[in-house]
Amino acid sequence: GQSLEQPSEVTAVEGAIVQINCTYQTSGFYGLSWYQQHDGGAPTFLSYNALDGLEETGRFSSFLSRSDSYGYLLLQELQMKDSASYFCAPNNYGQNFVFGPGTRLSVLP
Amino acid sequence: DTAVSQTPKYLVTQMGNDKSIKCEQNLGHDTMYWYKQDSKKFLKIMFSYNNKELIINETVPNRFSPKSPDKAHLNLHINSLELGDSAVYFCASSRPGLAVYNEQFFGPGTRLTVL
Repeated sequence: GQSLEQPSEVTAVEGAIVQINCTYQTSGFYGLSWYQQHDGGAPTFLSYNALDGLEETGRFSSFLSRSDSYGYLLLQELQMKDSASYFCAPNNYGQNFVFGPGTRLSVLP
Repeated sequence: DTAVSQTPKYLVTQMGNDKSIKCEQNLGHDTMYWYKQDSKKFLKIMFSYNNKELIINETVPNRFSPKSPDKAHLNLHINSLELGDSAVYFCASSRPGLAVYNEQFFGPGTRLTVL
């Protein structure tokens, strides 16, 4: 079977750095995706890691360690608009349709 | 132009009724999905279609029936609605299954409330 773990909530202040962890157990693993969802909105794609290491996209970076079945999303220079839920989703056999339980990030002024 | 659209955005209905949610994508994708997101924000796959063919059918009551008239549309019909069906239903689409990272594009969601 599959299992995914993420912290349920994270709180940080504007301008800070926050890391959202994801551990997974899955078969046919190709890579790890991250999605952002604002309250009342739809999930939107943020990043994908196929290889071990850090991928940087502006203020957001994502990391993967295949040997540890672990990844994280790093958000820098936090802004109020980053308050949202963040989901990790492993890509299995070319598909990712299993989403983690989500981490609710609250950014405080 | 909206990439993935769903109608209606809100649906309030009585227990026992039958309702449909429509989804259309104009991205030229071959694969479409239906997800259910409950009040705790768990996002759970229900169905996936690739080029009008059902490829994923998770453990979902058979009151839920997807229909794909063409690869740009995937509708969801729900019979005999129950209180537990209240949730937000998202349609999504992606490029073919063996794409490198298979980014999914989600519709705006349909909030279904069963009274």
